[in-house]
Amino acid sequence: EIVLTQFPATLSLSAGERGTLSCRASQSVSSYLAWYQQKPGQAPRLLIYDASTRATGTPARFSGSGSGTDFTLTISSLEPEDLAVYYCQQRNKWPPTFGGGTKVELK
Amino acid sequence: EVQLVESGGGLVQPGGSLRLSCAASGFPFSHYAMNWVRQAPGKGLEWVSGISGSGVSTYYSDSVKGRFTISRDNSKNTLYVQMSSLRVEDTAVYYCAKQMSVDVISTRPSDYWGQGTLVTVSS
Repeated sequence: EIVLTQFPATLSLSAGERGTLSCRASQSVSSYLAWYQQKPGQAPRLLIYDASTRATGTPARFSGSGSGTDFTLTISSLEPEDLAVYYCQQRNKWPPTFGGGTKVELK
Repeated sequence: EVQLVESGGGLVQPGGSLRLSCAASGFPFSHYAMNWVRQAPGKGLEWVSGISGSGVSTYYSDSVKGRFTISRDNSKNTLYVQMSSLRVEDTAVYYCAKQMSVDVISTRPSDYWGQGTLVTVSS
């Protein structure tokens, strides 16, 4: 199965700061990578799919990029409500797999 | 508005059984594949099982194959998973999630998730 490695494990940012989260696949997943946001005590929420397409309701400060094995989720200017764990997921190869997550916290 | 509401979680002894349900509303249920995804306490997300919109095709992770059975009743807009031979390592919050396609084997992700139901396997 495809292993997704997310880094850093924890990202400390100040409000208004730009943040970059990475997801690396053990083999190519083409552009079929999604990003989910999970706030404490809540269900995951789809943010980005097909590497760069924002899901309905995703703020414009979130953007995704990448293809093949290397992907990035960028938060252009951190808002307090963005504090969460972010997971990447691939569905290009069976079975679908998730990365281990990156926790975004306030510096 | 899409809503997914899981129920049926609880405490069960190792080797026991439990059936989870997920009541769906706000979308044409039979048009979309559905999945169960779990999250062990303090851990990440793990895909468990999926079922096509028609219910004909089902899929399982290796960790639950032979022990879990996914099903759906499109007349009741409800997704189920029957869990048997439960192990301590099955302890997790179980989420149902709507996929953006009618087939499970698809590149489309899950766009809506329920709030989850906690299953605790312990003696």
